[in-house]
Amino acid sequence: AQSVAQPEDQVNVAEGNPLTVKCTYSVSGNPYLFWYVQYPNRGLQFLLKYITGDNLVKGSYGFEAEFNKSQTSFHLKKPSALVSDSALYFCAVRGIGNTPLVFGKGTRLSVIA
Amino acid sequence: GAVVSQHPSWVICKSGTSVKIECRSLDFQATTMFWYRQFPKQSLMLMATSNEGSKATYEQGVEKDKFLINHASLTLSTLTVTSAHPEDSSFYICSASDAVVGFGEAFFGQGTRLTVV
Repeated sequence: AQSVAQPEDQVNVAEGNPLTVKCTYSVSGNPYLFWYVQYPNRGLQFLLKYITGDNLVKGSYGFEAEFNKSQTSFHLKKPSALVSDSALYFCAVRGIGNTPLVFGKGTRLSVIA
Repeated sequence: GAVVSQHPSWVICKSGTSVKIECRSLDFQATTMFWYRQFPKQSLMLMATSNEGSKATYEQGVEKDKFLINHASLTLSTLTVTSAHPEDSSFYICSASDAVVGFGEAFFGQGTRLTVV
């Protein structure tokens, strides 16, 4: 079975500082990993994905994530946080083909001005 | 990216009535759509996989007679909550993937906030 874990319920960071939202995964075979962001009462917006290739993946809104196979991690990062980045972030994994995403529990990011 | 439209965004209904939620893929064909449920401050839980032209596949613990899913065309899936009760109040989200538009990522509807009173 595939799963992802987000160890932090909440991450607080000051505006302008770098941010990291952690995610570890457990899969059999090659991992297909994703990050999504959710604003209140809204659906999920796709940020980035890792399928294969470079370990550093760049995505929307200045976010990036680093795939680390030895640590089975896929942490989301941004060099300089904005207040508007405050939202709920989900790490997810899926298998081959048109299979559903399996989500982590989510991490609430709060960027303080 | 591809667009998935979900309607309505919110609905309030009386206990015992039924509510239909629509999920449309606007610019691609989706042979498979997924329905999720999200409780406050919790993650998304997969309810069922909706397959065009065939019966939906429900996750364990999801009542198929209560949550009716119909996927009659390649661009539309509907979720009907039958005989709704207050405990059905939740945020429901659909998603779809297009293997041509982008490998792997799913696109999500805006979600539907259902409140049963």
